[in-house]
Amino acid sequence: AQRVTQPEKLLSVFKGAPVELKCNYSYSGSPELFWYVQYSRQRLQLLLRHISRESIKGFTADLNKGETSFHLKKPFAQEEDSAMYYCALITSGSRLTFGEGTQLTVNP
Amino acid sequence: DADVTQTPRNRITKTGKRIMLECSQTKGHDRMYWYRQDPGLGLRLIYYSFDVKDINKGEISDGYSVSRQAQAKFSLSLESAIPNQTALYFCATSDLKVRPDTQYFGPGTRLTVL
Repeated sequence: AQRVTQPEKLLSVFKGAPVELKCNYSYSGSPELFWYVQYSRQRLQLLLRHISRESIKGFTADLNKGETSFHLKKPFAQEEDSAMYYCALITSGSRLTFGEGTQLTVNP
Repeated sequence: DADVTQTPRNRITKTGKRIMLECSQTKGHDRMYWYRQDPGLGLRLIYYSFDVKDINKGEISDGYSVSRQAQAKFSLSLESAIPNQTALYFCATSDLKVRPDTQYFGPGTRLTVL
C-alpha cells in the first residue's frame, strides 16, 4: 500500500539558515510526488511537483528513488516561509496520499 | 483560489445531528474530492468523484456520504454526527486533462461536533 511519511511534525530554523523538510514514501508503482503548502489562514496550495524539476520560492525537491525520498530544501529560509508543508504522492486514479505534515517556523 | 468555495466555513453541531457541507467550483474541473484534516494525521481522503455519475470511497468513508449534484457541486453529508468527526474539511478539484493532476483546494470548513 502507498504511504507518505514526514518524520518531523515541527521544524524551527532561523532566518537565513538552510532548511530541509523530510519526506519518505512507499509505493510499488512509478511515483509522482508533490509538495503542498498551507500558509496561515490560507488554503492549501501546490508548491512544486517533482516531474517539473522546478524551483518555487527558492525551494527545490529531488526525487531519490533509491532512498524513496523527496525532501524539500531551501538554502536560506525566510520568515514568510513559515507554514505547514505536506508531501503528497499521487496514485492510481489520481488520488493523493498526504503525509502528516511538517509545521515550519522561521524565526527572525 | 476563489474558484473553489465551501459552505459553511464554520459549523458547530450536536451528536446525532445530520449535517451537510457543500462545495462549489467554477473551474470547470471534472474531478472533485473531500478530505478531512486532523493535527498530526495530515489530510485523509473521504470520497472522490471523477464525474457526475462517478462516486468513489476514499480511505475513511465510514460515517460519511456524498452527492455530486452537478459537475460544479459536490456535497458531503454526515448522517449522524459524532464527536470524532470534529475536524477541518477540505474540498478539492482537479482537471483530467492536466498530467500530473494538480488539486485546487477550497478554504475549508471547520466542523465541531459536541
